[in-house]
Amino acid sequence: NAGVMQNPRHLVRRRGQEARLRCSPMKGHSHVYWYRQLPEEGLKFMVYLQKENIIDESGMPKERFSAEFPKEGPSILRIQQVVRGDSAAYFCASSPRPQGRETQYFGPGTRLLVL
Amino acid sequence: QKEVEQNSGPLSVPEGAIASLNCTYSDRGSQSFFWYRQYSGKSPELIMSIYSNGDKEDGRFTAQLNKASQYVSLLIRDSQPSDSATYLCAVIKAGNTPLVFGKGTRLSVIA
Repeated sequence: NAGVMQNPRHLVRRRGQEARLRCSPMKGHSHVYWYRQLPEEGLKFMVYLQKENIIDESGMPKERFSAEFPKEGPSILRIQQVVRGDSAAYFCASSPRPQGRETQYFGPGTRLLVL
Repeated sequence: QKEVEQNSGPLSVPEGAIASLNCTYSDRGSQSFFWYRQYSGKSPELIMSIYSNGDKEDGRFTAQLNKASQYVSLLIRDSQPSDSATYLCAVIKAGNTPLVFGKGTRLSVIA
């Protein structure tokens, strides 16, 4: 999973601020997935993107959360007006082809702490 | 019923023993099954994938799938202390749908 890059690795924000999490997929991968992991909880799917397209955002809260994967550059998960409940580990994964039988490779994650 | 269920553990086994991790899933049409290992504070890493009924072996790891019983398991032979981690079962229900994870089973291998 060393090929999927995420930054920052740790992010501290105060309530009401914005958090921007970045993910660069493995070389040759054009499918990106974002997951959130709360303490002592399993990974929960948030959003699935291809270059310039959101394919499935069924797991992403409707308010304050948005994601993009532009033609150039990393995928970005943006959380506006963060609240303490947003504190979690956010993982990005990538695959070379659409999910299905494709293995998803995970990045190291961004640990978000909201004070 | 949760979509993917795992016993949270901890499951403690002595070094050298076989560790058996179990997972059940609710959607009978599920097609793809994965086991990930996650060390504390780290990201998940893929251990095994399995798509057909039966066993699939890779080194000390064997994944077993029984679609009729909606059950998938992971056996770790000759368990080592370095195998101590949380093991996540993940399922893709059908087609282009997201990975659904269980909460994971914490394994502790005692030296």
